[in-house]
Amino acid sequence: DVQMTQSPSYLAASPGESVSISCKASKSISNNLAWYQEKPGKANKLLIHSGSTLQSGTPSRFSGSGSGTDFTLTIRSLESEDFAVYYCQQYNEYPYTFGAGTKLELK
Amino acid sequence: QVQLKESGPGLVQPSQTLSLTCTVSGFSLTSYNVHWVRQPPGKGLEWMGRMRYNGDTSYNSALKSRLSISRDTSKNQVFLKMNSLQTDDTGTYYCTRDAPFAYWGQGTLVTVSS
Repeated sequence: DVQMTQSPSYLAASPGESVSISCKASKSISNNLAWYQEKPGKANKLLIHSGSTLQSGTPSRFSGSGSGTDFTLTIRSLESEDFAVYYCQQYNEYPYTFGAGTKLELK
Repeated sequence: QVQLKESGPGLVQPSQTLSLTCTVSGFSLTSYNVHWVRQPPGKGLEWMGRMRYNGDTSYNSALKSRLSISRDTSKNQVFLKMNSLQTDDTGTYYCTRDAPFAYWGQGTLVTVSS
């Protein structure tokens, strides 16, 4: 199975700041990498797919980069609605696997 | 409008079988794949398996011996059955469409307890 190592596990930031989350795959997954946002009481939201393609409706302050094994999610100019848990996921091969998640908290 | 909704018992006794239903609307099961994903309380997401548009299935090898996914296209439903449940099977179970997962159900909480 492809192991997805996501870091950091926790991140504290203030509105207006920029943050980055790393996701490393144990083998090459090409660009078959997605980022999701999890919020209590809401359906999980796909933010980015194919490593760097913004899903329709995702604000432009979100960006994704990387290919192969190393990927990064960057959120610029944090807004209050961005404080949530973020997961990466590889969908290059079965079983699809997720990172352990990053909880972005308000500082 | 694409929608998925999970349903099933909230409580299952240890060693028993879990049966969940994913009812979909806004798309055809013969055109799109449906996946099951679960999340233990306070933990991360685990992909469980997939019903392909043509009826083929794939399973996470960690669950394969206990898991079965089937469907009824006339009712727009995909079913998950997992036997020999233990307490660490407690969690929220989701169905989603295709990958990357742009559409998720709201999830159904399953508690394994006597």
